[in-house]
Amino acid sequence: AQSVAQPEDQVNVAEGNPLTVKCTYSVSGNPYLFWYVQYPNRGLQFLLKYITGDNLVKGSYGFEAEFNKSQTSFHLKKPSALVSDSALYFCAVRENGGFKTIFGAGTRLFVKA
Amino acid sequence: GAGVSQSPSNKVTEKGKDVELRCDPISGHTALYWYRQSLGQGLEFLIYFQGNSAPDKSGLPSDRFSAERTGGSVSTLTIQRTQQEDSAVYLCASSPTGVSGNTIYFGEGSWLTVV
Repeated sequence: AQSVAQPEDQVNVAEGNPLTVKCTYSVSGNPYLFWYVQYPNRGLQFLLKYITGDNLVKGSYGFEAEFNKSQTSFHLKKPSALVSDSALYFCAVRENGGFKTIFGAGTRLFVKA
Repeated sequence: GAGVSQSPSNKVTEKGKDVELRCDPISGHTALYWYRQSLGQGLEFLIYFQGNSAPDKSGLPSDRFSAERTGGSVSTLTIQRTQQEDSAVYLCASSPTGVSGNTIYFGEGSWLTVV
């Protein structure tokens, strides 16, 4: 069965600094990997996904993520954080060819002005 | 509307009552998911529908929870004899047909409070 780990409950970053939100996964075969963001009292919004091809995936709002098969990781990154990036971030995994999508526990990002 | 629509947006119910939560997926999407998000917790997978296939019910926490999808579109999640631990946000999501790599799109959720 697939699983996702987000080892940090919270990440604190100063505005303008680079940010990283970590995600590791476990799945049989090749994974499909996703990042979503949730703002207060809202549903989840899709940021980016890795299906195949280039290991560096670019998504919405300047975010990117790097797929590392040997480390089974898919960390979310942004070169320069904004206060408006403060939100709850979820990583998700799906088995290649499957549909069941499992989410991590979420990481709360605080960006300080 | 263009997005996933859920109703009610908020529901307060007494312990022991039954509740129904409704999800209207994006038009043309054949895959539909239900998740539960408890306060301060991640997303817990509940159930998945894909077209006319048998649903994947592996995430339903007890037999008090059930879901159906009529006509391959609207879905209803039913919780019988609600308990206080059922208080959570119930999120519905849908995805286009067929391809495993498709993105899933979420609704705003139904906030359930059991008192």
